[in-house]
Amino acid sequence: QVQLQESGPGLVKPSQTLSLTCTVSGGSISSGGYYWSWIRQHPGKGLEWIGYIYYSGSTYYNPSLKSRVTISVDTSKNQFSLKLSSVTAADTAVYYCAFEGLGYFQHWGQGTLVTVSS
Amino acid sequence: VIWMTQSPSLLSASTGDRVTISCRMSQGISSYLAWYQQKPGKAPELLIYAASTLQSGVPSRFSGSGSGTDFTLTISCLQSEDFATYYCQQYYSFPRTFGQGTKVEIK
Repeated sequence: QVQLQESGPGLVKPSQTLSLTCTVSGGSISSGGYYWSWIRQHPGKGLEWIGYIYYSGSTYYNPSLKSRVTISVDTSKNQFSLKLSSVTAADTAVYYCAFEGLGYFQHWGQGTLVTVSS
Repeated sequence: VIWMTQSPSLLSASTGDRVTISCRMSQGISSYLAWYQQKPGKAPELLIYAASTLQSGVPSRFSGSGSGTDFTLTISCLQSEDFATYYCQQYYSFPRTFGQGTKVEIK
């Protein structure tokens, strides 16, 4: 069974760049057929899809965040990463990595809370 | 962007009750809808995809129905472990979007 694990700083200063990595185990990102996504959840709120990457490097981002988001993949490490630039307090959230095969999210990481504060 | 209206936002029920959660789309999405369950401090878990297909391992008391713009998640006989928040999600188009969530609490 594929497992995902997020890692990265839990505290980011305003205007800086949030960087998170998702490590995949139990399966290979390079095997194809799946899209590797980032999703966030503001405290006590609903879910917001940030974007995805395919193993080839092709990406699709939520238009609401597109100008600030970069998702990349490192197939040699079986990892994919999220960078969100120019963060504000509104970017404080639990960030999840997940994968989808046909549009729905079959497996999720446990999530990591990122707080934006000086 | 496809907007989703999920109702109710809060549902108070007792163990053994039959509960229904609604998800309405701003435009038709055929059957490209999934349902998730989320417990406090945990990641969401996939319950149903393609509007009515139960994910492997999910109890049969969960069922989904609908197509087009109106969808329903039903729990036929609520168990203690079912008290959680439920989300619908459309995958008909990008960006993927989720409903606002329905919290099922103990009455």
